[in-house]
Amino acid sequence: DTAVSQTPKYLVTQMGNDKSIKCEQNLGHDTMYWYKQDSKKFLKIMFSYNNKELIINETVPNRFSPKSPDKAHLNLHINSLELGDSAVYFCASRQGIAGGFNEQFFGPGTRLTVL
Amino acid sequence: DQQVKQNSPSLSVQEGRISILNCDYTNSMFDYFLWYKKYPAEGPTFLISISSIKDKNEDGRFTVFLNKSAKHLSLHIVPSQPGDSAVYFCAASRTGTASKLTFGTGTRLQVTL
Repeated sequence: DTAVSQTPKYLVTQMGNDKSIKCEQNLGHDTMYWYKQDSKKFLKIMFSYNNKELIINETVPNRFSPKSPDKAHLNLHINSLELGDSAVYFCASRQGIAGGFNEQFFGPGTRLTVL
Repeated sequence: DQQVKQNSPSLSVQEGRISILNCDYTNSMFDYFLWYKKYPAEGPTFLISISSIKDKNEDGRFTVFLNKSAKHLSLHIVPSQPGDSAVYFCAASRTGTASKLTFGTGTRLQVTL
């Protein structure tokens, strides 16, 4: 009965490869996010979609491209992987985008290792 | 430019005692603050939140205090239990930013027997 799921959980790949991480939520939420946790454990937002529309696009290399085929899915595609992309990537979701109560539900994370 | 800071990377507390985790922020536009708890190999889970119009919010053993003038918040856990051992992240958001969360770097709490 996983609320926010991510696949794969672990991803080991070579520099220069292209890879995708998938995220699905079954909470009925309309807003989804991608966060990156780097080696210093700093959790930083990358993207957010609301009803399949991009609403947050932080300063992220354009090798990273999010795609939201529907409200329940937000995938992250990464081209030409670099060593510095090694991190844990978390997907999250919430209902709505307005302020106020702002609980986001997180997935278990995908640990990406670029060799 | 880290707008949310948790200056204590780790904290060790005896079971039954109070745990106090601290968080400072620099952006006075933040109007909502949250605490998340994270176990190894899992995603963060929501613990408790507070709006900037309040100075305290309590939920069972967990209480969050907000001091807006000092731009400081703290999480109190009383009594601490071994299951509370985890990394705690402070996060903040601002109305009108599509609910973007800005996180601190986390504090690892170890509750000892």
